[in-house]
Amino acid sequence: NAGVTQTPKFQVLKTGQSMTLQCAQDMNHNSMYWYRQDPGMGLRLIYYSASEGTTDKGEVPNGYNVSRLNKREFSLRLESAAPSQTSVYFCASTEEPRGDTQYFGPGTRLTVL
Amino acid sequence: TQLLEQSPQFLSIQEGENLTVYCNSSSVFSSLQWYRQEPGEGPVLLVTVVTGGEVKKLKRLTFQFGDARKDSSLHITAAQPGDTGLYLCAGLYNQGGKLIFGQGTELSVKP
Repeated sequence: NAGVTQTPKFQVLKTGQSMTLQCAQDMNHNSMYWYRQDPGMGLRLIYYSASEGTTDKGEVPNGYNVSRLNKREFSLRLESAAPSQTSVYFCASTEEPRGDTQYFGPGTRLTVL
Repeated sequence: TQLLEQSPQFLSIQEGENLTVYCNSSSVFSSLQWYRQEPGEGPVLLVTVVTGGEVKKLKRLTFQFGDARKDSSLHITAAQPGDTGLYLCAGLYNQGGKLIFGQGTELSVKP
């Protein structure tokens, strides 16, 4: 039981390049989330998927797209990376969206030059 | 836009001291969670408080939810170096089940 896994762990991009961050969970959870973490700003929600087949914008969605590929997998895509997207990205999942424990992956540290 | 103000942002203390971290908002939460995060890892849930005035204890950690469900505190008694880490509060509002996180408190406990 691996919980929430994320790939890659580290990535360096040049401005304008694209990439997809992968996330998978093996806990049969319904809801999945993508956050970014910047110093002094806590965690900010980018996009979430309350259940398979649905996605919604969070607090900071601009510059990102998501795909809920199936119940297990939720990917985050940067179409044209910008230096402002340099951050640590966390994926999380929860069984139900309201008030349940969120289980986080280990994070992806992304640097955009 | 709901905001969660967490204070202090940084705390450096000696082993054996007590400390309190605060989490405040002008909005009412349906519940509030406290997470702890170690370097290079994702946050891990410590506790969820749901009822106004609720107090929960986890060994040397005491969590309190304000009567009006707008604020919360985390008190650590006799801090140890193993308590070092980033502590995050997160409030759940009655809209869509999304968590709003505070800025975090970076705690360093020196031996």
